Amino acid sequence: QKEVEQNSGPLSVPEGAIASLNCTYSDRGSQSFFWYRQYSGKSPELIMSIYSNGDKEDGRFTAQLNKASQYVSLLIRDSQPSDSATYLCAASLQAGTALIFGKGTTLSVSS
Amino acid sequence: GAVVSQHPSWVICKSGTSVKIECRSLDFQATTMFWYRQFPKQSLMLMATSNEGSKATYEQGVEKDKFLINHASLTLSTLTVTSAHPEDSSFYICSARRGNTDTQYFGPGTRLTVL
Repeated sequence: QKEVEQNSGPLSVPEGAIASLNCTYSDRGSQSFFWYRQYSGKSPELIMSIYSNGDKEDGRFTAQLNKASQYVSLLIRDSQPSDSATYLCAASLQAGTALIFGKGTTLSVSS
Repeated sequence: GAVVSQHPSWVICKSGTSVKIECRSLDFQATTMFWYRQFPKQSLMLMATSNEGSKATYEQGVEKDKFLINHASLTLSTLTVTSAHPEDSSFYICSARRGNTDTQYFGPGTRLTVL
C-alpha cells in the first residue's frame, strides 16, 4: 500500500516565525513530490514541486527532499496569518500516475 | 500559468436527479484528468482517473455506473452523478495533468448538495 504520511497538526507558530511541515512516503520508487496549500472550503493550489535530493527555494518557501530517508519537508519563512491553511504533501511513483496525497497538516499562524 | 476551471461552482438538486460537472483546462492540453471528492474536514479522496479518448479508471469502492466520467477532448472532462442521493453531497474537485509532467493543477471545485 503506497502511503504518504503527515502529522495532522494543528501546527501553531507566531507571525514571523519559521513553520516546518514534514512528510514521509512509503514507496521508495516515488519520483516526484509536491506541496499543495488548501484553504478551508477551497481546492488545493500548488506551492512547489521537487524531484531531486536537496533544497529548492521559491520566495518564502523551501522544499527539502531526502530520498534515502523517504522524507519531504516544507519550510515557510516569515510566516504570515495568511499562510494559515492545510498543507498537503503528494508523491508520484511515475509519470502519468495519480498523485498520492497525505491527509494534510493544518498550520495556524497567529498575529 | 495553468488554469483549470469547473462548472458549476455549486449546485443544489433533488434526490434522484442527475448532475453534470465540467472540468476544463483553459490554457493547456490535459491528456489526463483526475476527479476527487472531499467531505468536510476530511482529506481528498481520488475517485477516478480520466484519460482522453478512453474509459476512466475508477478507484476501489467508487461505483462507475453512478459516477459517469467522459473525457472527450484534451481540455474537457465531465463527471455526472446519476440518481444523486443526500450521501453524495460533497465537494467535488478535478485536477488536470499538464503534458507529460506529474504536476497536477486543481480546479476550484464544485459543491454539491442533494436534498
